[in-house]
Amino acid sequence: KNQVEQSPQSLIILEGKNCTLQCNYTVSPFSNLRWYKQDTGRGPVSLTIMTFSENTKSNGRYTATLDADTKQSSLHITASQLSDSASYICVVSDRGSTLGRLYFGRGTQLTVWP
Amino acid sequence: EADIYQTPRYLVIGTGKKITLECSQTMGHDKMYWYQQDPGMELHLIHYSYGVNSTEKGDLSSESTVSRIRTEHFPLTLESARPSHTSQYLCASSETQGSSTEAFFGQGTRLTVV
Repeated sequence: KNQVEQSPQSLIILEGKNCTLQCNYTVSPFSNLRWYKQDTGRGPVSLTIMTFSENTKSNGRYTATLDADTKQSSLHITASQLSDSASYICVVSDRGSTLGRLYFGRGTQLTVWP
Repeated sequence: EADIYQTPRYLVIGTGKKITLECSQTMGHDKMYWYQQDPGMELHLIHYSYGVNSTEKGDLSSESTVSRIRTEHFPLTLESARPSHTSQYLCASSETQGSSTEAFFGQGTRLTVV
């Protein structure tokens, strides 16, 4: 069964600190993995995309890693800001159908305190 | 922000009423989706469409129906709303380029049935 598991479920950190969110998946055949940020009451917005051949990709203070062998990804946030408070969702796409089927994790709810 | 719009943003309606949630995108995407998301939970696919006159049910059983008469428009209808339909409904569209599939989400409609 294709699944995406994220940890931790929720996380509270102080402003300026770093944190790392984890994503494990069993989706096969794998196409790509995206991290989305979802602010409360809004739709998810893509942060980074990782394809099979990529190990690390950065987008400002966000750095995503991918280990396709162990089927694990992480999202590292450096120097956190209050605006980073949101749900971070790991989304994996397969290449087994014309739909480019998307599989969603439950998300990690990050709260940044001043 | 992506060019995909949902209306209304918030809706409170009585049991038994018929409602239609609107979703429009101006990106020319063939694929469109409806997801249902309860607070703190993952997104569940309830309907998707490959293109005009194409609609399919998703993973999560839903009493709602959809139509795709025009590429840019993908409305969702509940013939008789019930309190169990209370949830957030997110519309998305996607494009696939090479091995990359990105979904663009609307802001969501938060539905409350009383």
